[in-house]
Amino acid sequence: DADVTQTPRNRITKTGKRIMLECSQTKGHDRMYWYRQDPGLGLRLIYYSFDVKDINKGEISDGYSVSRQAQAKFSLSLESAIPNQTALYFCATRPTSDANTGELFFGEGSRLTVL
Amino acid sequence: GQQVMQIPQYQHVQEGEDFTTYCNSSTTLSNIQWYKQRPGGHPVFLIQLVKSGEVKKQKRLTFQFGEAKKNSSLHITATQTTDVGTYFCAGEPGAGSYQLTFGKGTKLSVIP
Repeated sequence: DADVTQTPRNRITKTGKRIMLECSQTKGHDRMYWYRQDPGLGLRLIYYSFDVKDINKGEISDGYSVSRQAQAKFSLSLESAIPNQTALYFCATRPTSDANTGELFFGEGSRLTVL
Repeated sequence: GQQVMQIPQYQHVQEGEDFTTYCNSSTTLSNIQWYKQRPGGHPVFLIQLVKSGEVKKQKRLTFQFGEAKKNSSLHITATQTTDVGTYFCAGEPGAGSYQLTFGKGTKLSVIP
């Protein structure tokens, strides 16, 4: 089983609908991240969380919200989806450690299409 | 904010040729990481560089971190079809920032 699990893996929805993407991890990491990937634009950070009570905006947080329900769970919501939110979304975790260490462990991705 | 530029965006090579991708940051980095994403897959960590001027090797892959800790490169010697994918660099600006900013990636195609 994957250490970082995202659901759903694929979703097609309509403009204006509320969508939640869920992420759960069994790695025991405190830090969790949501990234968005668009062709030619790389990975852009939406939100990140260092623990259940610590939520921070990334570079492209507008139109998104998150919830850290537990150490192992971090969900991303689109309150009212729009077509330019069509993208591949990745959840990632990172171990808490000294500065200058710690790789990101990515989930398999959630492909969202907004019509 | 911090920017991480990566070039080239695409690279097509004949199998057996070498390949290099370059990464430049607008600010000094505390460390830089490299990831590989296979087609249809998710990014997978390759390596982290921390020290100024650091060079690390993994088989046919050579990673360098510049003396000023603002640029990095990944060089693959004698590419193979298994090297196909997109290579991303990700820079972390300062100790304690705990945020990685990704370059846009270099998509490598290898012609058999």
